[in-house]
Amino acid sequence: ILNVEQSPQSLHVQEGDSTNFTCSFPSSNFYALHWYRWETAKSPEALFVMTLNGDEKKKGRISATLNTKEGYSYLYIKGSQPEDSATYLCAFRGMNSGGYQKVTFGIGTKLQVIP
Amino acid sequence: NAGVTQTPKFRILKIGQSMTLQCAQDMNHNYMYWYRQDPGMGLKLIYYSVGAGITDKGEVPNGYNVSRSTTEDFPLRLELAAPSQTSVYFCASSSGGERLAWAFFGQGTRLTVV
Repeated sequence: ILNVEQSPQSLHVQEGDSTNFTCSFPSSNFYALHWYRWETAKSPEALFVMTLNGDEKKKGRISATLNTKEGYSYLYIKGSQPEDSATYLCAFRGMNSGGYQKVTFGIGTKLQVIP
Repeated sequence: NAGVTQTPKFRILKIGQSMTLQCAQDMNHNYMYWYRQDPGMGLKLIYYSVGAGITDKGEVPNGYNVSRSTTEDFPLRLELAAPSQTSVYFCASSSGGERLAWAFFGQGTRLTVV
């Protein structure tokens, strides 16, 4: 079983604050790292996919970085807004012994932005 | 575009009953996945498939079976339902081969076993 860990598990921030959270994953057999945004009662929606060590991706106020050598990714939200409230999932895509990709999700970081 | 369609959305089963959760995608994706999400927990992979006729176990396969006879469909079978299988089930698909391939998720099936 692959360990994909996210921290913190939950987070409350004031509107306007910037915040960040972490996803750690195995540094071997890396294929890609995904971030998803998951609102309550909906299905996860893709935010970023990153494949190269040192990758940085940005979408509006949200950005992410990737370090495959040490096995971590950071997600940053600048100037948090109430609509950013959601669970942020990371997913590690690794290659298994059969040469197939396998996707393992972290438990998620539940963000609550307080107006 | 339909994307990933799961049926049913909700179901209540009695202990020992069987049922099949349906998942269909119309994006010609090779990879399909079944996850379960328990309260306060993340998504746990039950089974996945890398193409028609090829399936493999995930982290929590016990009590479930899958088949993949076509590219479009990936049904999940519960043979003897148990209360521990009460969960929300998500099906997902991705094109798989490309590194930048997203996974698209269905809306989920909320299953209660009583």
